[in-house]
Amino acid sequence: EAQVTQNPRYLITVTGKKLTVTCSQNMNHEYMSWYRQDPGLGLRQIYYSMNVEVTDKGDVPEGYKVSRKEKRNFPLILESPSPNQTSLYFCASSLRVGLYNEQFFGPGTRLTVL
Amino acid sequence: GENVEQHPSTLSVQEGDSAVIKCTYSDSASNYFPWYKQELGKRPQLIIDIRSNVGEKKDQRIAVTLNKTAKHFSLHITETQPEDSAVYFCAAEEYGNKLVFGAGTILRVKS
Repeated sequence: EAQVTQNPRYLITVTGKKLTVTCSQNMNHEYMSWYRQDPGLGLRQIYYSMNVEVTDKGDVPEGYKVSRKEKRNFPLILESPSPNQTSLYFCASSLRVGLYNEQFFGPGTRLTVL
Repeated sequence: GENVEQHPSTLSVQEGDSAVIKCTYSDSASNYFPWYKQELGKRPQLIIDIRSNVGEKKDQRIAVTLNKTAKHFSLHITETQPEDSAVYFCAAEEYGNKLVFGAGTILRVKS
């Protein structure tokens, strides 16, 4: 089944404790992206990747890191999480970079930073 | 960069009525405008999209219109049903490689 998976789905952690949220897609998509969803703010892009070893900042990259060592995986790293990073996170992928390509979203990861 | 504004933030309609959600964007170079639907507790999913060379697109009960001159686009849902209740996001592409989303509209269809 073609899909985007994320792990974990739920995570409660404490300030400063490094964490990684994994994202994997099995559709051979070139483009992958991370968003955070907060009430009243919609979906805001954190980082995106146009292909292996090619990543770029989105609109809210502060406090996050990403890597794209393999085409299928795009992990999101919070080196020192803070309470303002409490949010619902979505990974997404699309076949190609550029226009007219539907983004397929993962199931989401709800993160709480205490 | 691109800025997308979406209105209204919440919308309640009676089952069978129509619903309209409007978005405006700032970058006249944007050429692709998708709409995503997010049901409660689920992931966003594409429901319809429109390209700048088209003024209107329909898919059964949903339609999207685009006015490039005024830089706004709208989602129209006719004969609404309870399963249409969800959060709807509009988006505009920026620089051909990223999407900028609106803040979302919570649609409630009352039966």
